[in-house]
Amino acid sequence: AQTIHQWPVAEIKAVGSPLSLGCTIKGKSSPNLYWYWQATGGTLQQLFYSITVGQVESVVQLNLSASRPKDDQFILSTEKLLLSHSGFYLCAWSRRTGGQDTQYFGPGTRLLVL
Amino acid sequence: GQQVKQSSPSLTVQEGGISILNCDYENDMFDYFAWYKKYPDNSPTLLISVRSNVDKREDGRLTVFLNKSGKHFSLHITASQPEDTAVYLCAAGPGGNNKLTFGQGTVLSVIP
Repeated sequence: AQTIHQWPVAEIKAVGSPLSLGCTIKGKSSPNLYWYWQATGGTLQQLFYSITVGQVESVVQLNLSASRPKDDQFILSTEKLLLSHSGFYLCAWSRRTGGQDTQYFGPGTRLLVL
Repeated sequence: GQQVKQSSPSLTVQEGGISILNCDYENDMFDYFAWYKKYPDNSPTLLISVRSNVDKREDGRLTVFLNKSGKHFSLHITASQPEDTAVYLCAAGPGGNNKLTFGQGTVLSVIP
């Protein structure tokens, strides 16, 4: 069975500090990977997706970046956090089918920027 | 603007009744339509999805209706139960890539 793990579970960070959020998928080779963000009371927004190692497509510009250093790992980061980065970050995976397929979400990371 | 819209932020249904959740979209290129369910403090999970080559899909108590000309799709839950109480998110995207746009969500409350 596939499992998706996100770290950290929650984080409180200062404005202007760096951030790194991680996501790993176990039990599935060559998945598509996604990062989503939801502000409190807001809509879930897709930020990035990746179909293979070293390749990342940006969907929404939020002064964040993403990288896929390994087949089973997806990293979301920024060098300088903004207050507006607060929210809930979700990683998801889907099968690599060349198009849309069911996305399976991880447990998420809650971020508060002060 | 909001490309996928759920105009009703909340819906209350009596147990045993039919819950109807609605979603409108703007992009003609959208070819994939999905409904996700989310409990508080949990992640969304897929309930049911359809491609644009069908206008209806059933799975147990769930039915998705797609009206492409009206850019509208809906989720019908028959024999609604209290455990159906959750946030329901619609999502849509082009068939040929992996971009997926979500609606704001509708809070469904099924009361005994």
